[in-house]
Amino acid sequence: AQKITQTQPGMFVQEKEAVTLDCTYDTSDPSYGLFWYKQPSSGEMIFLIYQGSYDQQNATEGRYSLNFQKARKSANLVISASQLGDSAMYFCAMRYTSGTYKYIFGTGTRLKVLA
Amino acid sequence: DGGITQSPKYLFRKEGQNVTLSCEQNLNHDAMYWYRQDPGQGLRLIYYSQIVNDFQKGDIAEGYSVSREKKESFPLTVTSAQKNPTAFYLCASRPGGLWSGSYNEQFFGPGTRLTVL
Repeated sequence: AQKITQTQPGMFVQEKEAVTLDCTYDTSDPSYGLFWYKQPSSGEMIFLIYQGSYDQQNATEGRYSLNFQKARKSANLVISASQLGDSAMYFCAMRYTSGTYKYIFGTGTRLKVLA
Repeated sequence: DGGITQSPKYLFRKEGQNVTLSCEQNLNHDAMYWYRQDPGQGLRLIYYSQIVNDFQKGDIAEGYSVSREKKESFPLTVTSAQKNPTAFYLCASRPGGLWSGSYNEQFFGPGTRLTVL
């Protein structure tokens, strides 16, 4: 069975510092994708970054990078130079194949950036 | 602009009533999904559809029904059989096929917050 685990219910970080949000996953599917989404208080889900299971290099998108450790089945999100606008819920998700592409989400980490 | 619209943003329902949540996309995506989000929890899959006139149950389909008569529309009905329907509902879509696009990213609508009175 597929599983996504986010063990940090809440995190604080000082403005301009870096922060790492943890995500571990479990799947027997050799082909999968890992996503991070940001959900501000408005409720919309904003796509941040993607890592494919066969990608050799860690994904980066601006201030976001994904620390992909396949053997450990972890896909941690690193946000560099935190900004006040980064305060939100962050969800790790995995795409797996079950007839079609399906997605499973973690329980989220609430990040608060302090001025 | 292409995107996904959900209406209404807030919805109130009396116990015992059915209610339908709208989801429309103009992205020409084949696959569409409905998720439920409860406070402090992640998203849970209710129903999904790969193509028109086809849909499959997700992990928590009981008390819900859907239709997919048009490619751009995937309405969700919350029936009176759903015992605890108060939640935030998110609709998503993605380009079709198993192998289309390297990302296979889901695009989300703004959500509908349903409250049962």
